[in-house]
Amino acid sequence: DIQMTQSPSSLSASVGDRVTITCQASQDISNYLNWYQQKPGKAPKLLIYDASNLETGVPSRFSGSGSGTDFTFTISSLQPEDIATYYCQQYDNPLYTFGQGTKLEIK
Amino acid sequence: EVQLVESGGGLVQPGGSLRLSCAASGFTFSSYDMHWVRQATGKGLEWVSAIGTAGDPYYPGSVKGRFTISRENAKNSLYLQMNSLRAGDTAVYYCARGRYCSSTSCYGGWFDPWGQGTLVTVSS
Repeated sequence: DIQMTQSPSSLSASVGDRVTITCQASQDISNYLNWYQQKPGKAPKLLIYDASNLETGVPSRFSGSGSGTDFTFTISSLQPEDIATYYCQQYDNPLYTFGQGTKLEIK
Repeated sequence: EVQLVESGGGLVQPGGSLRLSCAASGFTFSSYDMHWVRQATGKGLEWVSAIGTAGDPYYPGSVKGRFTISRENAKNSLYLQMNSLRAGDTAVYYCARGRYCSSTSCYGGWFDPWGQGTLVTVSS
């Protein structure tokens, strides 16, 4: 099974900061990597699919990059409403795995 | 509006069984893979099962042999039969829409949207 290593597990940043989260796959997954945002008490929300594609309606300050085994998720200018936990997820049909999550807090 | 609504969660004793349901609306249910994903309190997301448009089921090792996923396209409904439940199965269970499949190919591998979740508590 493919394992996903996400880092950091938590992150504290100031409003306006550039924030970066990484995800590493245990084997080549091409660009089959997605990113989700989960706010407390809510279901996860898809932000980025296939490594770099922004889901419709998601602000352009969110972006993703990478292929193969190494992926990056970036918030270009952190906003207060971005406080959440972020997860990467790979798909190697028909099996799926998530990263451990990154809890993002405001400094 | 695309919507998924889970039901059937509750308190069950270790070794017991529970059946979750997910009612889908706003899209052509039969054309999509469907999934169950769970989240223990304060923990991360864990993919639990998937079912293809042809009814083919898939599971990770942690639930294989204990959980059974099924779908009823005529009722736009997804189910998860959970048997031999353990304390470690305690979690919020979400249903989520997966890949779109046409008559010739499938596209995607992400979960969107998700339902609001239903809480399963396994405890004596």
